[in-house]
Amino acid sequence: DAKTTQPTSMDCAEGRAANLPCNHSTISGNEYVYWYRQIHSQGPQYIIHGLKNNETNEMASLIITEDRKSSTLILPHATLRDTAVYYCIVTSTSGTYKYIFGTGTRLKVLA
Amino acid sequence: DTAVSQTPKYLVTQMGNDKSIKCEQNLGHDTMYWYKQDSKKFLKIMFSYNNKELIINETVPNRFSPKSPDKAHLNLHINSLELGDSAVYFCASSLLTGGIDFGPGTRLTVT
Repeated sequence: DAKTTQPTSMDCAEGRAANLPCNHSTISGNEYVYWYRQIHSQGPQYIIHGLKNNETNEMASLIITEDRKSSTLILPHATLRDTAVYYCIVTSTSGTYKYIFGTGTRLKVLA
Repeated sequence: DTAVSQTPKYLVTQMGNDKSIKCEQNLGHDTMYWYKQDSKKFLKIMFSYNNKELIINETVPNRFSPKSPDKAHLNLHINSLELGDSAVYFCASSLLTGGIDFGPGTRLTVT
């Protein structure tokens, strides 16, 4: 089972920041938080990942709380093309590990 | 220069047939995966191979048999297809430590 919980859906106005929350209260010390998104029925696309520090790349920012039990993906200026299902995944990178996808958050960016 | 490619993109077949889906990655990754996404959009891991060795088998019927001839290929063979096998199948790859890259998916329809 997925180790994360996310809201089922969210709306965001175009040009505004989209803040997508994720709870992962049972995360272990060696587990990373990964974010992916899936547009229509395309293959999921990697967005960003982090361990405990906040991370930023050209697509998004990832804010991880100090206790690491939750995180927020931030799309700073959402566009219509950001409409997708966003998945938060917790996975270990030691030993046998796997990416378990939950139900994700369906983000709709509104014009 | 597609990173993870799958063939065919669409596959329509009748119940009871045997079919294969091919996957290739040119990223130099050492781990490959098969995921199934059903009509409810749940994305579930099926198999994972690391350096041609099976490391994850998630309670998949033995009608499904993955085969990895080398690190760059992971094919999925399905015997005696059933209606419930209709889904989109995604191949993915990664280094043992790192994010995964997904292929475009193969939409399988069993009639």
